[in-house]
Amino acid sequence: AQSVTQLGSHVSVSEGALVLLRCNYSSSVPPYLFWYVQYPNQGLQLLLKYTTGATLVKGINGFEAEFKKSETSFHLTKPSAHMSDAAEYFCAVHGSCNTGKLIFGQGTTLQVKP
Amino acid sequence: DAGITQSPRHKVTETGTPVTLRCHQTENHRYMYWYRQDPGHGLRLIHYSYGVKDTDKGEVSDGYSVSRSKTEDFLLTLESATSSQTSVYFCAISEDRGAGETQYFGPGTRLLVL
Repeated sequence: AQSVTQLGSHVSVSEGALVLLRCNYSSSVPPYLFWYVQYPNQGLQLLLKYTTGATLVKGINGFEAEFKKSETSFHLTKPSAHMSDAAEYFCAVHGSCNTGKLIFGQGTTLQVKP
Repeated sequence: DAGITQSPRHKVTETGTPVTLRCHQTENHRYMYWYRQDPGHGLRLIHYSYGVKDTDKGEVSDGYSVSRSKTEDFLLTLESATSSQTSVYFCAISEDRGAGETQYFGPGTRLLVL
């Protein structure tokens, strides 16, 4: 079975500081990994995804994530936080059995302080 | 943005009443999904559809049924609403179900069961 764990339900950073949101996964097959962002009262928007190939994936809004198989991690980073980055972030892995089901982590709320 | 609408956007209902939520897409995507979002749980799959009249259960399907009579519409019915079904419900669509396929999410429906 596959699972996703996001370390830290709340992360607070100052504007301009590094953003690091942690995601670890468990998968018995090669994982396909996603990061989604949810702004208040909105649906989820894809930030980036890893399928195959380059392990450093660049996404929208200056975010990137690195797939590390040896650490079973897919942490999300951004060099300099902006106030508009305040949102909830979800890491997800594609489920097995070819159902297309996404398995989500619990989510991490990012607060950006001025 | 993917053309996905959900209706209603907000609903308050009483325990024991049936409730139907609608997801409508204009992308002609084959696959459609219903998730619920609860604090500390991320999003969990309720049901999904892989074509007209073709549906299957997700991980939290008890108390829910779905129907898909047209490609563009996917209905979620709470047969007899309970307070535990108070949640935010998201519809998602994807063109394919293969690993790595992106799912696009609607804006969500907030349901309160009193």
